[in-house]
Amino acid sequence: EAGVAQSPRYKIIEKRQSVAFWCNPISGHATLYWYQQILGQGPKLLIQFQNNGVVDDSQLPKDRFSAERLKGVDSTLKIQPAKLEDSAVYLCASRQVKDTQYFGPGTRLTVL
Amino acid sequence: KQEVTQIPAALSVPEGENLVLNCSFTDSAIYNLQWFRQDPGKGLTSLLLIQSSQREQTSGRLNASLDKSSGRSTLYIAASQPGDSATYLCAVIYGGATNKLIFGTGTLLAVQP
Repeated sequence: EAGVAQSPRYKIIEKRQSVAFWCNPISGHATLYWYQQILGQGPKLLIQFQNNGVVDDSQLPKDRFSAERLKGVDSTLKIQPAKLEDSAVYLCASRQVKDTQYFGPGTRLTVL
Repeated sequence: KQEVTQIPAALSVPEGENLVLNCSFTDSAIYNLQWFRQDPGKGLTSLLLIQSSQREQTSGRLNASLDKSSGRSTLYIAASQPGDSATYLCAVIYGGATNKLIFGTGTLLAVQP
């Protein structure tokens, strides 16, 4: 069974530029999560989708971050404009009902 | 506020040693607790999941315990190997429906050959 796929794996941008990350969850997983992991910290939940609806986006900085999950499968996370403090690893995870979360390899973002 | 703390932040041990990683959480109304392993450049791999009604879980050389009343969990690794070198993350789960994970800051483990 294929795992959670993410792209790109690495991205370097200048501050105030825009960037987008893509996630393809495990087939059949209705729930999808985006986490931000700053160096030296544990992952922090940004947004959770159930199919294509948002369940929790309480910690998503909505003035610059946006996410969508069209058709309840793939998801994109966008940052516009990026700030220095957005440098982090962005992790995507997916889950079936009553199962654990499965994580992708992450996208490492560096904002210069 | 729901917070998770892990001690120590980093640990270096010689191969073969038994070791204990600690996790504490402020809100004892947890649904489950989960231990993950994170290797550089890779995602998180689930090691053990303890349901709130359980006291411990075991998998191979790993044993995790949970004491809800004191807000603590420990991960015991027996006979450590260089391949165990990684960051270990503890996460508490509040609310079974959303399965929301609150992570600790992790313990960076280095096992020296």
